[in-house]
This record gives sequence, structure tokens and C-alpha cells, in this order.
Amino acid sequence: EAGVAQSPRYKIIEKRQSVAFWCNPISGHATLYWYQQILGQGPKLLIQFQNNGVVDDSQLPKDRFSAERLKGVDSTLKIQPAKLEDSAVYLCASSNRDPNYGYTFGSGTRLTVV
Amino acid sequence: GQQLNQSPQSMFIQEGEDVSMNCTSSSIFNTWLWYKQDPGEGPVLLIALYKAGELTSNGRLTAQFGITRKDSFLNISASIPSDVGIYFCAGRNYGGSQGNLIFGKGTKLSVKP
Repeated sequence: EAGVAQSPRYKIIEKRQSVAFWCNPISGHATLYWYQQILGQGPKLLIQFQNNGVVDDSQLPKDRFSAERLKGVDSTLKIQPAKLEDSAVYLCASSNRDPNYGYTFGSGTRLTVV
Repeated sequence: GQQLNQSPQSMFIQEGEDVSMNCTSSSIFNTWLWYKQDPGEGPVLLIALYKAGELTSNGRLTAQFGITRKDSFLNISASIPSDVGIYFCAGRNYGGSQGNLIFGKGTKLSVKP
């Protein structure tokens, strides 16, 4: 089974610019998550989708971050405008059953804001 | 919000030694998971624990779900160089959103051949 695909792998932008990340989950996985992992920290949930609906976006900074999963398959996460503190790895994960079984993570997109 | 305290922050050991790391929380969790993350990759699930007191093994790895449901530990026996990486604990309780895992800050393991 193919894993969770993410692109790009790396992105460097200047502060106040916009950036978008893409994620394609494992085929058939209904639940998709975006996590932010700051250097030296564990991943922190930004948003969770169940099919194309948002289940939890309580930790998403909605003034600058947005995410969508229009057809219940792939997803995009956007930051506009970016701040220096947004520098992190953005991880996408998916699951097709009880989340207690854990998720499958993608390799992430490393964002550097300068 | 909920936080997990993971210790130690880092370990530097000799190949062949056993390793122990743990995770504690002020909140009760119904599920504990242990992940390993290699540089430039996403975390990979190692072991999942679903019941207080449960002891589960995966090869040289053994993890336990604490009786109080507020802690968990992971042991690695006879470490080898490929065990190098960052190990994260993660917990989930049913009071939170579905599938919302809370992660610790990680234990960085270095193995000297």
C-alpha cells in the first residue's frame, strides 16, 4: 500500500508571503490530519478531517491558516501571510479505522520562513 | 491544555545496552502510543496500548500502560545502531476530539557502535 504523500518536501519563503502544502492520504482512509512540528517538539494537531468535513480545528490559527479537503481525498493546508514562528515541519497523517490504532504519517514539508 | 512529560530528553548509549524512557501526564489517557521518528521522516508507530496495566512487546521493544492511566514506559533491549532516532509517546482520551493524539516532546536516542 502506498504511503501518505506530501509535497513539497522543503519550502523557504519570506515572512508575509503565502505558502500551500499538499497531502494525498492512503487510498480509502477517511480521516486526515495536519500536524505542525516545531524543531525539538512533538507534533501538534492543527486540523482533523473526516471525509470532507472538519472534525476538529480548535488549534488552527484561523487568522492565517486554512485547510480544505474538498472531495474527501487529498487536502491542502495554506498559510497566508506567513510569520517567522510558522517555521516548522508540517505533517499529514491518515487513518481508516479507529484512531486508537494510530495514524500513518507522511514525510512532511519542512517550511522555513525568513 | 493537556501535556505529556517525556523523559529523558536525550540518551547516548553503547550498542548492546538496554534503554528505558517514560512518559507522564496530569490527565488520564485511554490509549498510549509510542512512535519513532527518523530525520526527515514522519513518525512511525511502534507500539499501541489500550488497557491500564497492559504490557506489549514488538521485537526488542516493550511498552507498558501504567495502572494509573497517567503514564507509560518504553524499553528497548540490546540496542543497535538503527535504533537511533527520536521516540515520541502519544496519548488520547475519549474526552477529546476523535483521534486527537497529544504528543510528548520526544526522547532523542544516540547509539555508539
